[in-house]
Amino acid sequence: DAGITQSPRYKITETGRQVTLMCHQTWSHSYMFWYRQDLGHGLRLIYYSAAADITDKGEVPDGYVVSRSKTENFPLTLESATRSQTSVYFCASRFSGRASVRDTQYFGPGTRLTVL
Amino acid sequence: KQEVTQIPAALSVPEGENLVLNCSFTDSAIYNLQWFRQDPGKGLTSLLLIQSSQREQTSGRLNASLDKSSGRSTLYIAASQPGDSATYLCAVMDSGAGSYQLTFGKGTKLSVIP
Repeated sequence: DAGITQSPRYKITETGRQVTLMCHQTWSHSYMFWYRQDLGHGLRLIYYSAAADITDKGEVPDGYVVSRSKTENFPLTLESATRSQTSVYFCASRFSGRASVRDTQYFGPGTRLTVL
Repeated sequence: KQEVTQIPAALSVPEGENLVLNCSFTDSAIYNLQWFRQDPGKGLTSLLLIQSSQREQTSGRLNASLDKSSGRSTLYIAASQPGDSATYLCAVMDSGAGSYQLTFGKGTKLSVIP
C-alpha cells in the first residue's frame, strides 16, 4: 500500500528490553521524522533524517537510536526501555529542499508503546 | 527556541456554531504554519498550510489566517458538525533551523455536541 506505515501498532515490553519501532514510506521522501506524543507535552521531535545515512537529534533524543540505510525505512530503537518512554510514537516524512516549505509532513498512524 | 501555544485547550460547542481556534508563536521567522487534525488513536492529517508570505488559506468550511508579525494564527470553522470533533494542532516551520522541522502546539480538543 502507498503511504507511510508503522509497525507494530501496539507494543508492550518490560523495562530494560530493547525495542525497535519500524517506519516505512513509499513516496521516496528525503526527510523522515520520529515524534513522541505525551499528555501535557504535545508532539516532540526525537530524531530526524534528511536522507539515507544522514540523521540528527531532535528535542528529546536521549535513550533512542535511529538508522537510515534505505530512503524508505527509518527504524527507531529503544536500546534499554524505561517507563518514561511509554508514549505514542509517530513517524512522518516530507519532500526535501526549499520547495518543501509549500508541502506538509505526512504522518503514520502511530505506535502505542507501553513499558512495564 | 520557538514556542507554540494553543488556546483554549478544550472547547465544547453545539452543532451549527461557528468557532475560532487560536495559535500563537514566539519567533516570527517561519517558512509556514500548518493546522492538523488528529482523531483519537489516529495519526495527524494536514488541514491547511499557510506560507509565510500568505495571509490566509481556505478549504471548505475551514479558514486559517496568519499574522506573522504578531505571531498569531486562527482557524475558523463554519457551521460546525459532530464530525468536526477532534484535536486540532497548530505547527510552525522555523526558517532558521535549516532542517524544516515543525514545532507543535499542544492542541485544542474540540467537541461538537449534536
